Amino acid sequence: QVQLQESGPGLVKPSGTLSLTCTVSGGSISSSTWWSWIRQPPGKGLEWIGEIYHSGSTNYNPSLKSRVTMSVDKSKNQFSLKLTSVNAADTAVYYCAIKGGYSSGPRYYSYIDVWGIGTTVTVSS
Amino acid sequence: DIQMTQSPSSLSASVGDRVTITCRASQSISTYLNWYQQKPGKVPNLLIYAASSLQSGVPSRFSGSGSGTDFTLTITSLQPEDFATYYCQQSYSTPLTFGGGTKVEIK
Repeated sequence: QVQLQESGPGLVKPSGTLSLTCTVSGGSISSSTWWSWIRQPPGKGLEWIGEIYHSGSTNYNPSLKSRVTMSVDKSKNQFSLKLTSVNAADTAVYYCAIKGGYSSGPRYYSYIDVWGIGTTVTVSS
Repeated sequence: DIQMTQSPSSLSASVGDRVTITCRASQSISTYLNWYQQKPGKVPNLLIYAASSLQSGVPSRFSGSGSGTDFTLTITSLQPEDFATYYCQQSYSTPLTFGGGTKVEIK
């Protein structure tokens, strides 16, 4: 079973850059998988930030696209998230996750089936 | 973006009750709809995918239905461990979007 572990600073100053890394164990970052980032502000719902494939292809949430960069490090079996110009609204638990899926005829149904434990990032001076 | 609207936002129920949660998409998403359960301080857990397929290991008291824009998660005979927040999520197109959540509380 693939496991994910987020790491990075728990406190980021306003206008600074949030940088998180997700380490993949029990599987290869080069597998046919989209690697995702999802966040959850305190007491609120889930927001998909974006995803990256091992080739480097990305899909970002348009609401964050101008501030987000994702990357893959195959040598370390890791993928990363950078979010620039952060403010208090970016305070959240950040999860890395795997978008799995299931084929039924011509259709491919995707879902988030593996999550990291999450890491809390607070934006504050 | 496809907007997902859940109702109710919260409900109170007793052990043994039948509970129904509704999720509506802002446009047709066929059956590209997933349901998750999240307990306080825990990671979301996939319950249902493709609108009605039960994820492995999930109790059969959970079921999903619907297609197009209207979907339902049903819990027959609510158990103590089912008190949690439930989220729907569309996988029809990116950005993936979640409903606002339904908190199921003890009556």
